[in-house]
Amino acid sequence: GAGVSQSPSNKVTEKGKDVELRCDPISGHTALYWYRQSLGQGLEFLIYFQGNSAPDKSGLPSDRFSAERTGGSVSTLTIQRTQQEDSAVYLCASSLLAGVSYNEQFFGPGTRLTVL
Amino acid sequence: AQSVTQPDIHITVSEGASLELRCNYSYGATPYLFWYVQSPGQGLQLLLKYFSGDTLVQGIKGFEAEFKRSQSSFNLRKPSVHWSDAAEYFCAVALYNNNDMRFGAGTRLTVKP
Repeated sequence: GAGVSQSPSNKVTEKGKDVELRCDPISGHTALYWYRQSLGQGLEFLIYFQGNSAPDKSGLPSDRFSAERTGGSVSTLTIQRTQQEDSAVYLCASSLLAGVSYNEQFFGPGTRLTVL
Repeated sequence: AQSVTQPDIHITVSEGASLELRCNYSYGATPYLFWYVQSPGQGLQLLLKYFSGDTLVQGIKGFEAEFKRSQSSFNLRKPSVHWSDAAEYFCAVALYNNNDMRFGAGTRLTVKP
């Protein structure tokens, strides 16, 4: 596609339910990043992928959060047993490469998650 | 500790007025520096970046930023603001490469007619 796409754009769920957020990166981009944007908090780095592997998972807030990437393309961020503090906008970005000096990250529009 | 600070949470300016958004960083070395803009319902768009060289950087949409090493600052400026500039602006830094890019909390810009 022309840009990074994310689905769904909005997700409302009940506390304790599991949710899956999807990211489709720009075709040909090998690096993919997940961020969380909470009100007044800026963007919090969660995890990045180089290909299908995730060298750095240190930003994941708890073991309820996990992410995978298959085929070097689509990525899914899963939040298990959601809590109200998980409510935020989850942003995905992709770039040509990662870890080799700087390549511009291109961002998707985000998924707004609301946990009731 | 490494940090990126945007001191102003919300700024309101009149259309046609000049704009300056502040960004300060605290890192052991000079990082790569960026400004992004996020319009409502949109992803982040890169306005400009500084890696090295000329400390005054020109970006898209008429924005510029100046790196001041002595002040650990990278303030964003625009001489004349347009109503379409109303958005959230994020300063970001990266010490080595993409993987460690960290963002400030953002400054929301409102433009008065």
